[in-house]
Amino acid sequence: KAGVTQTPRYLIKTRGQQVTLSCSPISGHRSVSWYQQTPGQGLQFLFEYFSETQRNKGNFPGRFSGRQFSNSRSEMNVSTLELGDSALYLCASSWAGTGIGTEAFFGQGTRLTVV
Amino acid sequence: AQSVTQPDIHITVSEGASLELRCNYSYGATPYLFWYVQSPGQGLQLLLKYFSGDTLVQGIKGFEAEFKRSQSSFNLRKPSVHWSDAAEYFCAVVPIIQGAQKLVFGQGTRLTINP
Repeated sequence: KAGVTQTPRYLIKTRGQQVTLSCSPISGHRSVSWYQQTPGQGLQFLFEYFSETQRNKGNFPGRFSGRQFSNSRSEMNVSTLELGDSALYLCASSWAGTGIGTEAFFGQGTRLTVV
Repeated sequence: AQSVTQPDIHITVSEGASLELRCNYSYGATPYLFWYVQSPGQGLQLLLKYFSGDTLVQGIKGFEAEFKRSQSSFNLRKPSVHWSDAAEYFCAVVPIIQGAQKLVFGQGTRLTINP
């Protein structure tokens, strides 16, 4: 069974640009969550999607958005990039969502560098 | 404030020695509890989880963790570490609160193994 796939693995963008990251969950999983990892703030929750609906959202500005498609694949978008958005972005998939007591499986992440 | 605390930022142990990584949480009700491991530049791999039941849980790679309700702790242990265990370890919880379906991570403990 294939794991969680995130593309691309690495990205370099310029301040002010926008970026789209993609996540394909494990087959059969309907929940996809996104996390940002930085040395200063650690791992922080961005948002969770379940059956194409955003079910939970973290404390990030509106520049961070996401969506989920009918096949459970998810994308997150960051507009008007800032230097502080440089981070490892991790996607996690689970069957029903971590709040239902099912475990989350993580992808390898997308390393975003903003210059 | 509700949080997850890993008191040790960095731990160094000799190969073959025993290991204990500490994790404390502060939530009213016992949350779901997890330990993840992250190798440099990689995503997170689930080591073990606790939802309910037996307070001593076994995980992959020879790791185990013990849930102690009275101490609000979920410490990770391994009897004999191997050089390949060098990585960063994250304790995480999912609060059992309506609308809080997300992983809340500790700051991580970096493990170095001396040969």
